[in-house]
Amino acid sequence: AQKITQTQPGMFVQEKEAVTLDCTYDTSDPSYGLFWYKQPSSGEMIFLIYQGSYDQQNATEGRYSLNFQKARKSANLVISASQLGDSAMYFCAMAWGNTGKLIFGQGTTLQVKP
Amino acid sequence: GAVVSQHPSRVICKSGTSVKIECRSLDFQATTMFWYRQFPKQSLMLMATSNEGSKATYEQGVEKDKFLINHASLTLSTLTVTSAHPEDSSFYICSARAPGTTSQYFGPGTRLTVL
Repeated sequence: AQKITQTQPGMFVQEKEAVTLDCTYDTSDPSYGLFWYKQPSSGEMIFLIYQGSYDQQNATEGRYSLNFQKARKSANLVISASQLGDSAMYFCAMAWGNTGKLIFGQGTTLQVKP
Repeated sequence: GAVVSQHPSRVICKSGTSVKIECRSLDFQATTMFWYRQFPKQSLMLMATSNEGSKATYEQGVEKDKFLINHASLTLSTLTVTSAHPEDSSFYICSARAPGTTSQYFGPGTRLTVL
């Protein structure tokens, strides 16, 4: 069975500093994709970054990068130069095979301090 | 990017009534849509996969007779919460998958409160 785990319920980071949000996963399917979403208090799900299981390089999108360690089954999100607007809930998610279904981790609440 | 809308954004209803939530893909055709439920401070839980022109596939533990899903066209899926009760109060979010991609686009969500 597939599983996604986020072990940090809450994180604090100083503005302009970098922060790493942890995510580990488990699947026996060799083809899968890993996603990170941001959910502000409004509730909308904002796509941040995607990493495919066969991608050789770590994904990057602006201030977001995904530290993909396949052997360890981890897909940590790194946010550089944190901004006050980064304060939100962050979810790691995984899709596998052709179903397109996403399973989500428990989420991490990030608070950026001025 | 692709846009998915949901209507209504917020609904309050009395216990025992039925509530319909619409999910529309505005600028692309979505053969597959997904419905999620999120309780406060919790993660999103997949309820069902909605395929255009066929019956929805429900996740284990989700009552298909209570949560009716209709995917009548390539741009519209509806979720009807029948005989709603206070424990059905939650945030319901849909997503639509763009054909041929891994991308899933989320609607803004519907907050349901059952009194």
